[in-house]
Amino acid sequence: GAGVSQSPSNKVTEKGKDVELRCDPISGHTALYWYRQSLGQGLEFLIYFQGNSAPDKSGLPSDRFSAERTGGSVSTLTIQRTQQEDSAVYLCASSSEVIGTSGNTIYFGEGSWLTVV
Amino acid sequence: AQRVTQPEKLLSVFKGAPVELKCNYSYSGSPELFWYVQYSRQRLQLLLRHISRESIKGFTADLNKGETSFHLKKPFAQEEDSAMYYCALRRDDKIIFGKGTRLHILP
Repeated sequence: GAGVSQSPSNKVTEKGKDVELRCDPISGHTALYWYRQSLGQGLEFLIYFQGNSAPDKSGLPSDRFSAERTGGSVSTLTIQRTQQEDSAVYLCASSSEVIGTSGNTIYFGEGSWLTVV
Repeated sequence: AQRVTQPEKLLSVFKGAPVELKCNYSYSGSPELFWYVQYSRQRLQLLLRHISRESIKGFTADLNKGETSFHLKKPFAQEEDSAMYYCALRRDDKIIFGKGTRLHILP
């Protein structure tokens, strides 16, 4: 597609339920990133994928968070047993190569706004 | 630890006045720094990067290794500059962001 696409754009869920957030990167982009944007916390790195593998999962806040990527394209971020502190905007981004390549740019989606009540 | 600090959560500036958004970083290697911007109801996008030494929408940012700073500047603020601005640092294969500064341009 023309840009990074995320769904759902808004999700309200009850505490304790599981949620899945989807990211469809720009076609041909091999690197995919997940960030969390919270009020007052800025952008927190969660995880990134190069192809289908995740070299760096260091940002995942707890074992309730997991992510996968299949076919080198679509990625799903899953939050199990959601808590109120999980409420945030979850941003996905992609780039044509891993960021370490000089001059590379990452492109962001519009985000999935998650509210846990 | 490598990190990015933006000391101001909110900056209000009158239209036509100069703008300076502060950013300080800590990084053990040779840093690669960026400014990202998010306008209301739009997605986060790259504004500029230090390696390009470019001016975008009248904004410039100079890397000062002595002061470990990468402040974003514009000589004359415009109303359309109102947005959320994030300073960012490349660390290995990912981008680390500061907490952001909301710039509000007063008419």
